[in-house]
Amino acid sequence: QSALTQPRSVSGSPGQSVTISCTGTSNDVGRYNYVSWYQEHPGKAPKLMIYDVNKRPSGVPDRFSGSKSGNTASLTISGLQAEDEADYYCCSYAGRYTSVFGGGTKLTVL
Amino acid sequence: EVQLVESGGGLVQPGRSLRLSCAASGFTFEDFAMHWVRQAPGKGLEWVSSITWNSNNIGYADSVKGRFTISRDNAKNSLYLQMKSLRTEDTALYYCAKERIVGGSFDYWGQGTLVTVSS
Repeated sequence: QSALTQPRSVSGSPGQSVTISCTGTSNDVGRYNYVSWYQEHPGKAPKLMIYDVNKRPSGVPDRFSGSKSGNTASLTISGLQAEDEADYYCCSYAGRYTSVFGGGTKLTVL
Repeated sequence: EVQLVESGGGLVQPGRSLRLSCAASGFTFEDFAMHWVRQAPGKGLEWVSSITWNSNNIGYADSVKGRFTISRDNAKNSLYLQMKSLRTEDTALYYCAKERIVGGSFDYWGQGTLVTVSS
């Protein structure tokens, strides 16, 4: 159960797009289409932004999108807004009723 | 409105035990798998444990296997985490989270209960 690998930080200017990668293994990200992404603002509980690789829960703007290729999943945020500044975590099902998170990525909106 | 309210956290000495609870409301608790996720101060999220709707299947992170026990009482709409042989590295904010349907995504989270393991 090794943590998924995410960049520690990414940044972008308002209106731009950023992509956050999440690299796992053939036992988690590569095996299951059960990758989810969470947004966490300071002092708040995490919020589900993407589930099942590329599905958005009701209420999440379509500026947020997810994808996967092999052992790497990605979260893309287009049309960056100031309120998107937060920590983002990926998570993958890893079999046998276990899950694993990534180390988290701090998004800075310049 | 879905609500998850954790309780039971506090300051505990290394080697001691603690039991966390999560009271659920606003959804049919018995229909969904539930999870515990923790976050050490200033650190990232760490998945801890899961339990299916009928308690037939349970999973643990390697870091807590053999020390923590997850359980649920569907009649009381409650989730529990019994923690034994606590270590300083177990210090964290413990979240209760509801699984969306299947696949280990968490659509609702509580506000967390803080566990501090220190002598």
